[in-house]
Amino acid sequence: EVQLVESGGGLVQPGGSLRLSCAASGFTFSSFWMHWVRQAPGKGLVWVSRLNSGGSTTQYADSVKGRFIISRDNAKNTLFLQMNSLRAEDTAVYYCARGQKGSDALEIWGQGTMVTVFS
Amino acid sequence: DIVMTQTPLSSPVTLGQPASISCRSSQSLVHSDGNTYLSWLQQRPGQPPRLLIYKISNRVSGVPDRFSGSGAGTDFTLKITRVEAEDVGVYYCMQTTQFPRTFGRGTKVEIE
Repeated sequence: EVQLVESGGGLVQPGGSLRLSCAASGFTFSSFWMHWVRQAPGKGLVWVSRLNSGGSTTQYADSVKGRFIISRDNAKNTLFLQMNSLRAEDTAVYYCARGQKGSDALEIWGQGTMVTVFS
Repeated sequence: DIVMTQTPLSSPVTLGQPASISCRSSQSLVHSDGNTYLSWLQQRPGQPPRLLIYKISNRVSGVPDRFSGSGAGTDFTLKITRVEAEDVGVYYCMQTTQFPRTFGRGTKVEIE
């Protein structure tokens, strides 16, 4: 079964850091672009970042550029999101998602992990 | 950034009746490769999003054929021919033509 499972969310104070993980299974992880998308409570979806299959090319939303770092370990089938200098507005459920080959439509999603930034 | 504008934001529908959601982009979504990377996702209450349609009109395997997508350039539509109870949720359009990827604000489909 194709699956993505996020972990690493939690409570953190403003200015703090968290590292999210996304464990992939059931497919050849190293062949796909991977994304992070977030959703603040009661709000819509916001794209955060994308990493190519080899881990060499990244894109970020302006709101997280310079603070978040996306990476992957293809040997361990795991995607990461290092989140630094966290702000209250980063509070959200964070989803990892797989980009479809040829279109990059987000075809597989994890269940999400909640990040709460509060003082 | 490409802004995706969905209308309506809320759509009360009677079971068995059709529903239609519009999505308009602030720029053409035609990629330099000639393809248009517009997709539709469904998010049921308490669930992660689920891809329904990609490249305007291609249904994902397992998606009922009552869902269809159409459009071109900057104007796109998702139609549900006969709404069923399991269709309740929020529907998002998303463009993957350009970075940053962007979503519409979502359209809530509910049964009236």
